[in-house]
Amino acid sequence: DTGVSQDPRHKITKRGQNVTFRCDPISEHNRLYWYRQTLGQGPEFLTYFQNEAQLEKSRLLSDRFSAERPKGSFSTLEIQRTEQGDSAMYLCASSSTPGLAVRSYEQYFGPGTRLTVT
Amino acid sequence: AQSVTQLDSHVSVSEGTPVLLRCNYSSSYSPSLFWYVQHPNKGLQLLLKYTSAATLVKGINGFEAEFKKSETSFHLTKPSAHMSDAAEYFCVVSEGGSQGNLIFGKGTKLSVKP
Repeated sequence: DTGVSQDPRHKITKRGQNVTFRCDPISEHNRLYWYRQTLGQGPEFLTYFQNEAQLEKSRLLSDRFSAERPKGSFSTLEIQRTEQGDSAMYLCASSSTPGLAVRSYEQYFGPGTRLTVT
Repeated sequence: AQSVTQLDSHVSVSEGTPVLLRCNYSSSYSPSLFWYVQHPNKGLQLLLKYTSAATLVKGINGFEAEFKKSETSFHLTKPSAHMSDAAEYFCVVSEGGSQGNLIFGKGTKLSVKP
């Protein structure tokens, strides 16, 4: 179990540019979640996948945001035409599907990608 | 709609004294409740979880929490604080089932004085 990894750890970009983040979940987990955390706040849910299917999207996920998990393994989160308000820590988490494991509801988090939009 | 309220944004204790971080939740269903800890520049780590088994839940590093349905509370405690406990703590609720996304409180920053 190597844990959830995210790349890059830090990203500085200019307003209007596109950025893409990657998340590699724990290998046996079929659920993958994206959250956003702004300074002084708790993480907020953005979207999640079960295998390659995107099952839920938060209203926080504007049209400029898109997430994919093409083969049910790693996932990417892309932000188009970045705005200063997108500056935040983007967290990825993974878990098993409820019912398939004793600790099925536990989500394991990666270290996050800190995005700064200038 | 589910929600979590952490009653204190900042708690300061002396090393060796008890820790109490308070959390109230609102849920239409039988919830799963969690406490996560976030150390500076590190990822979120699960401290403990409640999923409708024993109401007193023991976690890592000597922390425990008690689920009180009548009070809709899930307070986190530790008998004796250690300097390494200084961090941000999040109370979290999950409806589970087909969704499973977590709803976080705003966090409580724990400071530990020597």
